[in-house]
Amino acid sequence: DTEVTQTPKHLVMGMTNKKSLKCEQHMGHRAMYWYKQKAKKPPELMFVYSYEKLSINESVPSRFSPECPNSSLLNLHLHALQPEDSALYLCASSQGGNTIYFGEGSWLTVV
Amino acid sequence: QKEVEQDPGPLSVPEGAIVSLNCTYSNSAFQYFMWYRQYSRKGPELLMYTYSSGNKEDGRFTAQVDKSSKYISLFIRDSQPSDSATYLCAMQGSGAGSYQLTFGKGTKLSVIP
Repeated sequence: DTEVTQTPKHLVMGMTNKKSLKCEQHMGHRAMYWYKQKAKKPPELMFVYSYEKLSINESVPSRFSPECPNSSLLNLHLHALQPEDSALYLCASSQGGNTIYFGEGSWLTVV
Repeated sequence: QKEVEQDPGPLSVPEGAIVSLNCTYSNSAFQYFMWYRQYSRKGPELLMYTYSSGNKEDGRFTAQVDKSSKYISLFIRDSQPSDSATYLCAMQGSGAGSYQLTFGKGTKLSVIP
């Protein structure tokens, strides 16, 4: 079983809602990631946190807002999303940049 | 030309067959090479992680890297129905580049009992 835990597993939200995805890892990793995956496509990088600081933002729209409260936790705050944002959102972690481990993902549906 | 090319398949083989999955890449900066297995509606699971050219074996799985040809392979021996999944190759550079994985499109594999 993966040691990267994501909640919730499924989320349905309206376009005016505010919701959050949560991720936790207890492997002592210092880098954490958010990826987005659409059907039949590979994961696409959204954000990277290194030592609790945002180090990479892949030009993600501001309706997605990441937060890293501490080295074990990573949140993705969602606001005013569009139906095309419906996807599998994957959290991942690594020690440094190598050997990146993914969680099971959160399935998001925007209605 | 995409940085990483992977035949999306689908690939269908009988149980017990040897499966060969491949990726080619164009970026010489890639130093680390991975294979992930992804079951339907699940997150990617790291199968193999290699650095530099050569072979790495883990049970029924063997990963090969040929940096001179910019070609990587994953072999699955004695394939089982439980191996049915999408296999994603992924690569990364070193230093700051190590935080960014470049994936292939993934190959969907079905192992028929």
